Amino acid sequence: DVKVTQSSRYLVKRTGEKVFLECVQDMDHENMFWYRQDPGLGLRLIYFSYDVKMKEKGDIPEGYSVSREKKERFSLILESASTNQTSMYLCASTQARTGELFFGEGSRLTVL
Amino acid sequence: RKEVEQDPGPFNVPEGATVAFNCTYSNSASQSFFWYRQDCRKEPKLLMSVYSSGNEDGRFTAQLNRASQYISLLIRDSKLSDSATYLCVVNKIGRDDKIIFGKGTRLHILP
Repeated sequence: DVKVTQSSRYLVKRTGEKVFLECVQDMDHENMFWYRQDPGLGLRLIYFSYDVKMKEKGDIPEGYSVSREKKERFSLILESASTNQTSMYLCASTQARTGELFFGEGSRLTVL
Repeated sequence: RKEVEQDPGPFNVPEGATVAFNCTYSNSASQSFFWYRQDCRKEPKLLMSVYSSGNEDGRFTAQLNRASQYISLLIRDSKLSDSATYLCVVNKIGRDDKIIFGKGTRLHILP
């Protein structure tokens, strides 16, 4: 069974803290994505990666960075968390660039 | 025009009824289409792909109209468990591959 695992389901952080959100997939997928989802705004793409050590900005990359050192792992980093980054963060992977996306369970981040 | 548009709803539908919603897309180069289902506080999961000839999976039917640039989802004999948000996904394949999500349509099935 396919599996995308996000390291933390719920996090509470303070403004200015550095936040790491980790995502691991066990399907040997090349393509991985980070989204955030907010009420009324839907899913918005933050960053994506089509290969190890490769990363591309999505639609809302400001305030975020990513790391893909291994094929199975894609990390999202908030260098200095702000309250407007309070959101649900969803990691996804896919074999074909525009095929079925498999999502992790999500990480709900609250920044105080 | 937004790349992918859906009526946000909510659609409040009595159990057993038939409900349909559409999703319009703006880019005629879009090549593949999907419906995802997202339960409250859960991740999206693929419900079904949408093929040019239309496709059916049990009570669910998906159709694509390329001329008018929309896809539809029909749910027959709705169940309480169908209550969820339904996300339309359009994939543009080309020099810049892109997966585009609609904002979703909320469906509430009423007992």
